Amino acid sequence: DAGVTQSPTHLIKTRGQQVTLRCSPKSGHDTVSWYQQALGQGPQFIFQYYEEEERQRGNFPDRFSGHQFPNYSSELNVNALLLGDSALYLCASSLIGGGAKETQYFGPGTRLLVL
Amino acid sequence: QKEVEQNSGPLSVPEGAIASLNCTYSDRGSQSFFWYRQYSGKSPELIMSIYSNGDKEDGRFTAQLNKASQYVSLLIRDSQPSDSATYLCAVRQNDYKLSFGAGTTVTVRA
Repeated sequence: DAGVTQSPTHLIKTRGQQVTLRCSPKSGHDTVSWYQQALGQGPQFIFQYYEEEERQRGNFPDRFSGHQFPNYSSELNVNALLLGDSALYLCASSLIGGGAKETQYFGPGTRLLVL
Repeated sequence: QKEVEQNSGPLSVPEGAIASLNCTYSDRGSQSFFWYRQYSGKSPELIMSIYSNGDKEDGRFTAQLNKASQYVSLLIRDSQPSDSATYLCAVRQNDYKLSFGAGTTVTVRA
């Protein structure tokens, strides 16, 4: 049973650049959520995608955008990178229809460093 | 007021003891509650979910939920060095996102 996969594992960028992070959900899952985790903090919700649409968005600027493909995989794009964007970016997948019991499983994350 | 608050820790317990982790949440309409374990440098791993008041046991882990007090806890019995990690409490309200606490770091000393 393939779990959630993310690429790349590590990334170094400079301020002002753009970055694309990728996620493939767990086998059988159809929903992808993205979180940002700064050092020493809990993950913060960026957005969630289902049926190729953004279903909910957290308090992140428009520099953060995403996409979901027909095969349920997803991309997170960040434009005009700031030093404060340095963090662990986590993708979580789930299966719609679970209601309150919908459970999110996390991938290994992409560690982004902005210099 | 933060949506989800946890003991700031760190929490140090001797091997074989019980580790007790606490979490409070602000939205009375919250429906789903999760505990994730996160080893240093790794991603969160689900260890427990709980949806109704009372206790839920899974091996050495017991989650307790009290919706009236807006409180959820995790007990780790017979703590082992491999339990040393940061434990994240996550809450889902009446929407799709998970709201996380800052985590409690547990160290089990041999």
